[in-house]
Amino acid sequence: QKEVEQDPGPLSVPEGAIVSLNCTYSNSAFQYFMWYRQYSRKGPELLMYTYSSGNKEDGRFTAQVDKSSKYISLFIRDSQPSDSATYLCAMDKGNKLVFGAGTILRVKS
Amino acid sequence: DTAVSQTPKYLVTQMGNDKSIKCEQNLGHDTMYWYKQDSKKFLKIMFSYNNKELIINETVPNRFSPKSPDKAHLNLHINSLELGDSAVYFCASSPSSTSVANTGELFFGEGSRLTVL
Repeated sequence: QKEVEQDPGPLSVPEGAIVSLNCTYSNSAFQYFMWYRQYSRKGPELLMYTYSSGNKEDGRFTAQVDKSSKYISLFIRDSQPSDSATYLCAMDKGNKLVFGAGTILRVKS
Repeated sequence: DTAVSQTPKYLVTQMGNDKSIKCEQNLGHDTMYWYKQDSKKFLKIMFSYNNKELIINETVPNRFSPKSPDKAHLNLHINSLELGDSAVYFCASSPSSTSVANTGELFFGEGSRLTVL
């Protein structure tokens, strides 16, 4: 079993929809949780990070962590075609990050 | 000006050959990394250097040898290429070796797509 599990998708939604992307993890020692966005043929770029449980909002993006369930989510409001990308979650393990396999998101106009 | 640049972007080669990928960052970061992303998009760390010193060496075959001539450069040499080495190799940098786990501040290059035939 991988330490971080993520549904690969693809997830297809119409423009303007609310998108929910999720990861589950098995290591209760994880404390920092990140979301990266990766466009096709590009490197991942950091979207948001959160520490421990709770919510964090940045514009149309909200990251949510539920440590008791070992479950994290990224919500995208008013999704746009430009949000079409692969979204990877990542968690801290010592001085490195463990990544999920990514969820492909397609927002149709 | 590209922050993390790696060359070449594409490599197509035969099994058994040797190849190198070069990476340079102009962000003034202390720490650089090599990641491998397989066909299922799974991104896995291979190596990390902090100010030219190797600090992370995951269970990677000895055929892979990183080199950091200075803290702005990190190269990857691969000997005796195998079919399973086909992947996208990403170079990345972070301000320090400790900050990345707390803030996720990891800056990736655009990747080098290696195909072994």
